[in-house]
Amino acid sequence: EVQLVESGGGLVKPGGSLRLSCAASGFTFRNAWMSWVRQTPGKGLEWVGRIKSRDDGGTTDHAAPVQGRFTISRDDSKDTLFLQMDSLKTEDTGVYYCATCNNTKYYMDVWGKGITVTVSS
Amino acid sequence: QSVLTQPPSVSGAPGQRVTISCTGSSSNVGAGYDVHWYQHLPETAPKLLIYGNINRPSGVPDRFSGSKSGTSASLAITGLQPEDEAVYYCQSYDSSLSAVVFGGGTKLTVL
Repeated sequence: EVQLVESGGGLVKPGGSLRLSCAASGFTFRNAWMSWVRQTPGKGLEWVGRIKSRDDGGTTDHAAPVQGRFTISRDDSKDTLFLQMDSLKTEDTGVYYCATCNNTKYYMDVWGKGITVTVSS
Repeated sequence: QSVLTQPPSVSGAPGQRVTISCTGSSSNVGAGYDVHWYQHLPETAPKLLIYGNINRPSGVPDRFSGSKSGTSASLAITGLQPEDEAVYYCQSYDSSLSAVVFGGGTKLTVL
C-alpha cells in the first residue's frame, strides 16, 4: 500500500524554526517527485514547493510566500522527504501535507494525512 | 485572491447534477496546462478526483467528470450522494509564477 506519513509538527513562536518529515512506503521513493501543500485557517490549499527525483536533477521549487525561508530536501536512503521551515510567521499556521507529484502534469496523486503547524507567541 | 477562480459554494439535492467551474488565464489554463480536481473532506487528506482535465484515477466513480475549454474548466457530479459533500479544488500550473496554483475551493452541500 502506498503511504505517506508526516511528522514533526507542533507549536512554535514567530521567528522560530521547525522541520517536518514525510516517511514514504509502498512505492519507489527515489524515482518520485514530491511536493508539500498546506491549508491555512479559513483558506484553501496552497502549494508550498516541490523536489524532483535525483535522476531528474533533484532540484527544488518553492512558492513565493515561503521562498528563502522554507527548504525542501529528501533522503532517498531513508525514503523520507523534509520541509525545513525557518523564520516562521503566524500566517504559516496550518496543516501541511506531503504528496507525490506527477513529473509532467504537475498533479498530486497520493497524499499524506497532514500535520499541524501552529505559529503563535 | 486565488489565481484560479471557483465559486465559493454550490448545492444540489440527492440524485441531481451539479457543476463547479474553474476560471484561469492565459498563463495557466489558457496556456494549455492541464487542470486537475481534488475532493477534500474535513480532517482527511485531499483526494485526486480528476487529472489531465478529463481522466479519473482508478476507484473514482464515473459520476465525476471533468472538461476544459479555453481558459476554463469544469467538474460535473451526477447522481449526487450525501457522501459527496466536501470542498472541491481545481489545480493547474502557472508559467508566469512558475508555480503550481489552486483554486480557492468550492463547498458542495447536498441538500
